[in-house]
Amino acid sequence: AAGVIQSPRHLIKEKRETATLKCYPIPRHDTVYWYQQGPGQDPQFLISFYEKMQSDKGSIPDRFSAQQFSDYHSELNMSSLELGDSALYFCASSLVLQETQYFGPGTRLLVL
Amino acid sequence: GNSVTQMEGPVTLSEEAFLTINCTYTATGYPSLFWYVQYPGEGLQLLLKATKADDKGSNKGFEATYRKETTSFHLEKGSVQVSDSAVYFCALSDRRDDKIIFGKGTRLHILP
Repeated sequence: AAGVIQSPRHLIKEKRETATLKCYPIPRHDTVYWYQQGPGQDPQFLISFYEKMQSDKGSIPDRFSAQQFSDYHSELNMSSLELGDSALYFCASSLVLQETQYFGPGTRLLVL
Repeated sequence: GNSVTQMEGPVTLSEEAFLTINCTYTATGYPSLFWYVQYPGEGLQLLLKATKADDKGSNKGFEATYRKETTSFHLEKGSVQVSDSAVYFCALSDRRDDKIIFGKGTRLHILP
């Protein structure tokens, strides 16, 4: 079965640079979620989108922004990167009103 | 607010031992409960779920029962294998918002 696709899988950036992470949900899923997992930590919710509109917002820094496009894929844009942004970033998708979220493999971001 | 508390690890067991990982939750509504598993270097995989009181989720020999009276969702397996070594996250989702709230995770080591 098709799963959530994230790209790139690994990303290395310097401090103050910009990064863009992409997420392609499971076909026919209309809701996308972003989570950040720091080293040895549990995943923390950042933001979610339903039908291209932001539906919920968590602990997402102002330096980060995200959007969902007409084909339901989503992008997380991260600017002025800091060392503390080094983490595993997960995207998950679901059908609205179905609470089961299916996670992608994650993008591992390292900020040097 | 909603929260999940699970037993701290690491948990080390011998192959074929019985496994219990405790999980309790706090929620103002009627959440759905999940166990996710993260194998080394990989993403989050949904292991099992339960959406209402007394439901039992099961998958790959793992089971967990939604106990509303004790607000618990303990994970059990009768005979663990080396391949079960991973980090296990208990999680909940409240219908009133989108995000999944995770516990801190329990690292499980199975010795041959």
